[in-house]
Amino acid sequence: QQPVQSPQAVILREGEDAVINCSSSKALYSVHWYRQKHGEAPVFLMILLKGGEQKGHEKISASFNEKKQQSSLYLTASQLSYSGTYFCGTEGAQKLVFGQGTRLTINP
Amino acid sequence: DSGVTQTPKHLITATGQRVTLRCSPRSGDLSVYWYQQSLDQGLQFLIQYYNGEERAKGNILERFSAQQFPDLHSELNLSSLELGDSALYFCASSVGDGNTIYFGEGSWLTVV
Repeated sequence: QQPVQSPQAVILREGEDAVINCSSSKALYSVHWYRQKHGEAPVFLMILLKGGEQKGHEKISASFNEKKQQSSLYLTASQLSYSGTYFCGTEGAQKLVFGQGTRLTINP
Repeated sequence: DSGVTQTPKHLITATGQRVTLRCSPRSGDLSVYWYQQSLDQGLQFLIQYYNGEERAKGNILERFSAQQFPDLHSELNLSSLELGDSALYFCASSVGDGNTIYFGEGSWLTVV
């Protein structure tokens, strides 16, 4: 079952913060986050394997709440290069299913 | 470069025709996934193979089929093509469940 992402789209000014949420009605074994630029392949950001796990790389981090069956991606002090569509993918029943995506636009 | 190779990159074909998309996974990866992405849509899971065996199936149409060969490359066959099949088809690979999956550059299919 496809996870649900919110918001569907967000527009920021450079330097602002954003949070993208991902939730599932099914138990989650892991959460994957990807960013995709238009017409390009999705690029791996991070994977969270355990409930309570938090990861981060530079100004992008994520958390995984296994009990609530949800994950959040945090983008801090956004840069123009952060623009794109963000997908969360959830693993269950041996397949990786992605949400509909959150389109992030960063303006100067 | 993710290490996942897809061919062809672009393909234009007529309705009713059949095409084959090819994918070579990263060296050492046993799992291959196929996803369909229509214009400005999300990534729709089609099918997954692991070491030559079908592992999971998504919303794959009966007109579509796939297989993974002993050398681990995979092919996605699309037949009786319709206009609505026009999309970007991604192949991805991973070592196995719970591991990062890496996407190829995709095959753009246009059905006219």
